[in-house]
Amino acid sequence: GNSVTQMEGPVTLSEEAFLTINCTYTATGYPSLFWYVQYPGEGLQLLLKATKADDKGSNKGFEATYRKETTSFHLEKGSVQVSDSAVYFCALSDQQSGYALNFGKGTSLLVTP
Amino acid sequence: DAGITQSPRYKITETGRQVTLMCHQTWSHSYMFWYRQDLGHGLRLIYYSAAADITDKGEVPDGYVVSRSKTENFPLTLESATRSQTSVYFCASSVGQDVTPLHFGNGTRLTVT
Repeated sequence: GNSVTQMEGPVTLSEEAFLTINCTYTATGYPSLFWYVQYPGEGLQLLLKATKADDKGSNKGFEATYRKETTSFHLEKGSVQVSDSAVYFCALSDQQSGYALNFGKGTSLLVTP
Repeated sequence: DAGITQSPRYKITETGRQVTLMCHQTWSHSYMFWYRQDLGHGLRLIYYSAAADITDKGEVPDGYVVSRSKTENFPLTLESATRSQTSVYFCASSVGQDVTPLHFGNGTRLTVT
């Protein structure tokens, strides 16, 4: 079945450092790919998405490119801020379950001043 | 206000008791979902619904019951709560297409003693 694997955290970075969170997927067909972010005590919010190969999703300085050849969707940001501290989830849509999302296990990011 | 609302926000119950978690959305989205979030597992799909009176099992449905008599409501019932059902439960909704995101509530933290 469809699945998502993302790097385990926690990841701790200093402010203004470069961020990469790796995500790879296994899927039949060509699902849409998403990154969601969860701030403490809140639900998940969509960060960015890509719907086909070579698409680049971007939002709030974060970027991720849908790479079919490597089945990857790595999240990057050039200069993180303390306010980026959160848990990040990679996900793909699953047509077989009403386009529910299959999530990775999440990567916790802590950015220190 | 438009959005997706879960209640209660926190719940403590005893083993063997029945408990119902409520979810209400105001967008008239066709699809609704219940996930549970556990450390080390990320989010796992419990049940989903494509429309009123249509529900289907997700990855971890055992011990849970859902209903959807109205489009806007999607309650989740634990018929006889067990300690393994201690978790954070998230409800989500979407229009149900591959490229559209899920909108999440803020979650219900359930503790079964």
